Amino acid sequence: IAGITQAPTSQILAAGRRMTLRCTQDMRHNAMYWYRQDLGLGLRLIHYSNTAGTTGKGEVPDGYSVSRANTDDFPLTLASAVPSQTSVYFCASSAESSTDTQYFGPGTRLTVL
Amino acid sequence: GQNIDQPTEMTATEGAIVQINCTYQTSGFNGLFWYQQHAGEAPTFLSYNVLDGLEEKGRFSSFLSRSKGYSYLLLKELQMKDSASYLCAALDSNYQLIWGAGTKLIIKP
Repeated sequence: IAGITQAPTSQILAAGRRMTLRCTQDMRHNAMYWYRQDLGLGLRLIHYSNTAGTTGKGEVPDGYSVSRANTDDFPLTLASAVPSQTSVYFCASSAESSTDTQYFGPGTRLTVL
Repeated sequence: GQNIDQPTEMTATEGAIVQINCTYQTSGFNGLFWYQQHAGEAPTFLSYNVLDGLEEKGRFSSFLSRSKGYSYLLLKELQMKDSASYLCAALDSNYQLIWGAGTKLIIKP
């Protein structure tokens, strides 16, 4: 692995189902982020983690949860998916804080029907 | 509220120069980023400005005026591979990035 990986690449999900998007980085970065990107809108921060064991809410956290059990992994869970969560989800990481360059994973395209 | 404004779309000719503007209104300011995003791909870092002035990096330069809440990205000697969206993002007082919707740059031969 080099950089950040995300899985799955894409997913179609029925409304009401639970879904976990996976994110793994091998750069030993302390900070990690989850964004959603919708057409015509900027990237919006869902949740972030400044270091393993801590998480924080971003701009649009409702309906999503995260955990950061170790440095490398930062999964995003949709407890009960709704159609408005149809989006492209990007995971990113930075060395220490948000003043550092953020490196993005390839994204997960999620469709909720 | 916090806001980032940048043009939705721009068109330029291969070999020419293009300037993509970005204005920002944030609660506090701790720097401005530019990222490039090709269609269907992840954003990649281009530049970070925290002090006023111009920073040049090869064919790409980025300018910041903190007093005017304004930045621009200058692309010289345009190549077809420069066709992409360019995202402007400002770091607010809480060190959270506020992203613009992006400027789609179309390069014509």
